[in-house]
Amino acid sequence: EAQVTQNPRYLITVTGKKLTVTCSQNMNHEYMSWYRQDPGLGLRQIYYSMNVEVTDKGDVPEGYKVSRKEKRNFPLILESPSPNQTSLYFCASSLNPYNEQFFGPGTRLTVL
Amino acid sequence: KNEVEQSPQNLTAQEGEFITINCSYSVGISALHWLQQHPGGGIVSLFMLSSGKKKHGRLIATINIQEKHSSLHITASHPRDSAVYICAAPGAGSYQLTFGKGTKLSVIP
Repeated sequence: EAQVTQNPRYLITVTGKKLTVTCSQNMNHEYMSWYRQDPGLGLRQIYYSMNVEVTDKGDVPEGYKVSRKEKRNFPLILESPSPNQTSLYFCASSLNPYNEQFFGPGTRLTVL
Repeated sequence: KNEVEQSPQNLTAQEGEFITINCSYSVGISALHWLQQHPGGGIVSLFMLSSGKKKHGRLIATINIQEKHSSLHITASHPRDSAVYICAAPGAGSYQLTFGKGTKLSVIP
């Protein structure tokens, strides 16, 4: 089954404790992206990747890191999480930015 | 960066009504996405269009590149259409996506 998986689905952590949210797709897609969704602000792009080893900033990259060492995986790293990073995070993939995007189920992160 | 505006923010309709959701953007684009977010939170892609019109079942999406405007129509609306509908557009010469804030649709039986 074609899908985008994210782990964990829910995470409660404390300020400053490094964490990684994994994202994996099995559709051989070139383009992958991370978004955060906040009430009243909607979805905002954090980082995107056009291919292996090619990443670029979206609208709100501060406080986040990504890597794309393999085509299928695109982890999101919060090296020192802060409460303002409490949000709902989505990973997505597609053939390219102008094709249908496939979204993961979301990760609800709470930083205390 | 593209500025993307959606209207209305909230919409309540009676079952069977024809629904229109609008999306305007500031920068010329090559494609625009329409997404649906279910009450449970999952997001699915409805359409990606770069010109004209696309239809899928009771959903129709149109785009006018010159006017920088797109519409999503739902014919014969049904309570299961209740969701948040979101449009997204890339910037000119950019692969960065900018999203509208979404339209929350409630269809009442």
